[in-house]
Amino acid sequence: AQSVTQLGSHVSVSEGALVLLRCNYSSSVPPYLFWYVQYPNQGLQLLLKYTSAATLVKGINGFEAEFKKSETSFHLTKPSAHMSDAAEYFCAVSEGRGQGGKLIFGQGTELSVKP
Amino acid sequence: KAGVTQTPRYLIKTRGQQVTLSCSPISGHRSVSWYQQTPGQGLQFLFEYFSETQRNKGNFPGRFSGRQFSNSRSEMNVSTLELGDSALYLCASSLDIPKVYEQYFGPGTRLTVT
Repeated sequence: AQSVTQLGSHVSVSEGALVLLRCNYSSSVPPYLFWYVQYPNQGLQLLLKYTSAATLVKGINGFEAEFKKSETSFHLTKPSAHMSDAAEYFCAVSEGRGQGGKLIFGQGTELSVKP
Repeated sequence: KAGVTQTPRYLIKTRGQQVTLSCSPISGHRSVSWYQQTPGQGLQFLFEYFSETQRNKGNFPGRFSGRQFSNSRSEMNVSTLELGDSALYLCASSLDIPKVYEQYFGPGTRLTVT
């Protein structure tokens, strides 16, 4: 069965500092991996996705993630945090192949950015 | 292109009642998925509809049901509401193209059961 683990329910960084949000997955087949962001009282916005092409994936708002099969990880990074990055971030996995509409989400990581 | 829309945005119901939530996907998207988001359980997959057929189903009781119409619009229904059904219900649509599978989410319907 698929699962996603996000290490750290809350991460706090200073403005301009590196953002690193951790995600580890478990999947019996090559996975499709996603990072979503949720701002208060809103739905989820897709940041980036891994679909078995390049292992380093670039997304919106300066975020990127690297797929590491040996570590079953898909950590999200941003070189320099901005106040507007404060939100909740979710890592998700899908098996695709007819299961594409079923995403399994991690518990989420709330990112705080200090001035 | 318009995004995923969900109606209503907020809803207050009483225990024992039933409720219907609506989702209109992005034009051209044929897959619609529903998720429940609560502080305790996080984001949980309810079910997915593709071409008017339920293709995937999560681990929710039979009180939760859904359907999809020929124009891809979808509804979900919860019967005999319980306090624990209070949640944000999110709908997502997708083109469901191999190697893409990205889902676009609506703003959600906030359901409060009293």
